[in-house]
Amino acid sequence: ETGVTQTPRHLVMGMTNKKSLKCEQHLGHNAMYWYKQSAKKPLELMFVYSLEERVENNSVPSRFSPECPNSSHLFLHLHTLQPEDSALYLCASSQLAGAGTDTQYFGPGTRLTVL
Amino acid sequence: LAKTTQPISMDSYEGQEVNITCSHNNIATNDYITWYQQFPSQGPRFIIQGYKTKVTNEVASLFIPADRKSSTLSLPRVSLSDTAVYYCLVGTLNNNAGNMLTFGGGTRLMVKP
Repeated sequence: ETGVTQTPRHLVMGMTNKKSLKCEQHLGHNAMYWYKQSAKKPLELMFVYSLEERVENNSVPSRFSPECPNSSHLFLHLHTLQPEDSALYLCASSQLAGAGTDTQYFGPGTRLTVL
Repeated sequence: LAKTTQPISMDSYEGQEVNITCSHNNIATNDYITWYQQFPSQGPRFIIQGYKTKVTNEVASLFIPADRKSSTLSLPRVSLSDTAVYYCLVGTLNNNAGNMLTFGGGTRLMVKP
């Protein structure tokens, strides 16, 4: 248990569906992240929120839409996805320490399958 | 962001010491070196972090030479449960922008009985 929870753990959706992934951190952190991990590929950083403001968007298609309503919650809204979007979606959080680098705590991930 | 290079895979046996080396030739002055472990279908888990010389915790040791262009993660007396992918990351914290780390392909460690 890392203090970061994700729901649902598994999701199957059609290409025309709209769904949302939820992440919640119980660590009092002030930065949250979405990553995508496809089979046999490295983790890809998708979005970063720092103090509830989005600070990074690595050229992610607009069919992925993040939302960070407060420092403890992060959502990833999905619509009109493609089969190649099937992957493990990981949420992480960290505490901005002000120096050096901080440790990211990852949730268990949501295994997404797009049919 | 500094690029890292590590072996794709390694095999070991229970009870052996395992050393995984990571190259990061263009590491910047403010960069730290961090290692994560990932089991299948789980998120990565922090193992150890260092800036220079040697760092040791209850799980592993991290050796960093003076030029900091490489680092070695050392796992003492591995067990079957240490079978996982190990990622070496190099990066620094932008106070306003969070932790901009890039995960490479990692090293898949297989521990055999």
